[in-house]
Amino acid sequence: EAEVAQSPRYKITEKSQAVAFWCDPISGHATLYWYRQILGQGPELLVQFQDESVVDDSQLPKDRFSAERLKGVDSTLKIQPAELGDSAMYLCASSGGQGQGGDTQYFGPGTRLTVL
Amino acid sequence: SQQGEEDPQALSIQEGENATMNCSYKTSINNLQWYRQNSGRGLVHLILIRSNEREKHSGRLRVTLDTSKKSSSLLITASRAADTASYFCATGRFGGADGLTFGKGTHLIIQP
Repeated sequence: EAEVAQSPRYKITEKSQAVAFWCDPISGHATLYWYRQILGQGPELLVQFQDESVVDDSQLPKDRFSAERLKGVDSTLKIQPAELGDSAMYLCASSGGQGQGGDTQYFGPGTRLTVL
Repeated sequence: SQQGEEDPQALSIQEGENATMNCSYKTSINNLQWYRQNSGRGLVHLILIRSNEREKHSGRLRVTLDTSKKSSSLLITASRAADTASYFCATGRFGGADGLTFGKGTHLIIQP
């Protein structure tokens, strides 16, 4: 069964350093989402792509976060500089495969970020 | 920001018993979905119910939706140890490829 791939699975960094996360959605899925999940909370949407275009980045802290999906396939989320409060799980999801209508989102295993 | 609240925040039951979790939300929705998350892992889609539906079943799962009360419930029947996980409700406002708004989750523990 096709899955959403994410790397790395774990990342430890120091405050003020730059970090990047990578996501490869399920083949054929036009829509890609990045969510952030703080421990003990539900995921919160950071950014949504439709193909290579940003559809919604209203919750993305744009002073330090950036996201791209240059060829409309895989995507990178970057934080520069990282702050202590960025420690969280970063989840990627995709949807919109053939016949699925886009409602069901398929999540990757996530990247656990710890900022020291 | 979180859309709503799951209730209870934590639930511990014996294997074989039924587990019921509730979700409340604040704004109008197109659909409501339930996801499961095992410790430290990604989320797995369980079931989706649309705003014009009142009840839906999938295997041992039963979901109800009351749009007048802006609430939903998830029932897991004949629970198993493997059902131990966190369960989240998530709402979509528009349907289709729509960013979801999640609740804070219910942590379910099934005692063997």
